[in-house]
Amino acid sequence: NAGVTQTPKFRVLKTGQSMTLLCAQDMNHEYMYWYRQDPGMGLRLIHYSVGEGTTAKGEVPDGYNVSRLKKQNFLLGLESAAPSQTSVYFCASGQARGVGQYYNQETQYFGPGTRLLVL
Amino acid sequence: AQSVTQLGSHVSVSEGALVLLRCNYSSSVPPYLFWYVQYPNQGLQLLLKYTSAATLVKGINGFEAEFKKSETSFHLTKPSAHMSDAAEYFCAVKGNDMRFGAGTRLTVKP
Repeated sequence: NAGVTQTPKFRVLKTGQSMTLLCAQDMNHEYMYWYRQDPGMGLRLIHYSVGEGTTAKGEVPDGYNVSRLKKQNFLLGLESAAPSQTSVYFCASGQARGVGQYYNQETQYFGPGTRLLVL
Repeated sequence: AQSVTQLGSHVSVSEGALVLLRCNYSSSVPPYLFWYVQYPNQGLQLLLKYTSAATLVKGINGFEAEFKKSETSFHLTKPSAHMSDAAEYFCAVKGNDMRFGAGTRLTVKP
């Protein structure tokens, strides 16, 4: 069981370039998430998905797009990179637990992160 | 919307001393609360979570946290710090989505 893996581990981009970050999970989880981590700000949710073929915006979605064509994969795209997108990006997956009012007590499992530097 | 505030961006303790990392939450619905730990150059790992079953939650590596509704707090404690506990710790609250605190970096002095 690899858990959650992310590709690439590190990338340097020039302003205006595009790239795609890949997240893969082998735990058959329904939910997947993309976060960015910046110093002093904790993790902020970019986009998430509650199932194959579905995506939704999180707290800081501008400048990013996502796709969930397969249940195990969640792609994060930057169409035109900006220096403000220099960050560490984490993918996570989770599975809802509980019933009724306790539904969705999910634990999120995180990947090792991708360091992105935009010059 | 829910949010968490972690008091203290850096905490330093001596090996063997009590560890106390503070977290206060805000939530309009009964909260689900989490503590995660992040070691250098790694992703986040779950330490423990509160899901309303018990107010005192025990986690891995000897950590525990107590949910206090009256104080809207979910502080993380460990009776005796070990060098291997040095890491960054994040408190999080789950409502429609997960909101993380800014993190507290724990340093353990020999």
